[in-house]
Amino acid sequence: DVKVTQSSRYLVKRTGEKVFLECVQDMDHENMFWYRQDPGLGLRLIYFSYDVKMKEKGDIPEGYSVSREKKERFSLILESASTNQTSMYLCASRLRGQGNTEAFFGQGTRLTVV
Amino acid sequence: GEDVEQSLFLSVREGDSSVINCTYTDSSSTYLYWYKQEPGAGLQLLTYIFSNMDMKQDQRLTVLLNKKDKHLSLRIADTQTGDSAIYFCAEKGDSGYSTLTFGKGTMLLVSP
Repeated sequence: DVKVTQSSRYLVKRTGEKVFLECVQDMDHENMFWYRQDPGLGLRLIYFSYDVKMKEKGDIPEGYSVSREKKERFSLILESASTNQTSMYLCASRLRGQGNTEAFFGQGTRLTVV
Repeated sequence: GEDVEQSLFLSVREGDSSVINCTYTDSSSTYLYWYKQEPGAGLQLLTYIFSNMDMKQDQRLTVLLNKKDKHLSLRIADTQTGDSAIYFCAEKGDSGYSTLTFGKGTMLLVSP
């Protein structure tokens, strides 16, 4: 059974803290993605990665960075958490092949910054 | 940039048909998707349609695509309370480097 696992379902962090959100996939997928989901705004792409050590900015990268040191793991980093980063964060992965390759999503991490 | 629009809310009675609509702007969209998100869960792929098709049926689900108007719809026949969820429309190009662009999601509420 294919799986994308996010390390935490719920996190509460203080303003100014450095926060790491971890995502691991077991499908040997090249492409990995971080989205945030907010009510009324849908899913917005923060960063994505095509391969190890590669990263590309999505639509809303400000305040975030990422790390892809191993193919199966893609980390989202909030260098100094702020209250406007309170959100649901979703990780996804898919094969990089041309055509229709399904994206698989993790269960999400609900982050609250206080 | 690309944009995908959906209505935010739909309420139906159990047993009725539900139709969720979506419009998109990117004419290079090659694949169009419907994802379902149940409360507290990630997204699950329901179905997809290739841009050279105009209809796809999968059990209770029917997807209609009007490529000229860039309009996509998802019809759920005999809607059940278990279909209550948020439904996302998404589009993607053909390249292996393409990213999914999502709509804001339609919350479907099915009442008994």
